[in-house]
Amino acid sequence: DVKVTQSSRYLVKRTGEKVFLECVQDMDHENMFWYRQDPGLGLRLIYFSYDVKMKEKGDIPEGYSVSREKKERFSLILESASTNQTSMYLCASSFLAERTNEKLFFGSGTQLSVL
Amino acid sequence: KNEVEQSPQNLTAQEGEFITINCSYSVGISALHWLQQHPGGGIVSLFMLSSGKKKHGRLIATINIQEKHSSLHITASHPRDSAVYICAALPFNTDKLIFGTGTRLQVFP
Repeated sequence: DVKVTQSSRYLVKRTGEKVFLECVQDMDHENMFWYRQDPGLGLRLIYFSYDVKMKEKGDIPEGYSVSREKKERFSLILESASTNQTSMYLCASSFLAERTNEKLFFGSGTQLSVL
Repeated sequence: KNEVEQSPQNLTAQEGEFITINCSYSVGISALHWLQQHPGGGIVSLFMLSSGKKKHGRLIATINIQEKHSSLHITASHPRDSAVYICAALPFNTDKLIFGTGTRLQVFP
């Protein structure tokens, strides 16, 4: 079975801290995605990557950056956490770009609280 | 108005009932996904549709491209089907899915 693993299930940070959210997949997927999920807003794409060292902005990239140094790992970075970044963060991966209609595989999510 | 609308937002049912969740979208799409999210956050991909109908166990997903509408049906519902069901549309000429806000289903014994 495909496994997408997010490093933390729950995380509490203070305003201004630098936060790293890690995601690892074990199926050699080219594509990886970071979403955030907020009540009433659904899932929103923050960043995605089609290959090592490649990244593209999603719909809400402000306040975030990403790193993909290895194919299996995609990191989301909050340079200076703010309270409006309190959210559920979900990582996903797939073999091909979304346009080619491959299923997405999701991690179990990280609930981040910024105090 | 959201480009992907789901209805209903909340749904309660008795065990054994037939359930329908609807998804309408306003853009031309190449595919539509149905996802399931259980309490605790993890999301599972149920179906990816570009036309017609797909079936997996008690779950059936249909799509009508002309009407820009998809439905997810659950036959003989069970309390373990309780979850949030999310549809996501993949428009033409983009790599980005557009997500509905989800339908929260609760099935009682």
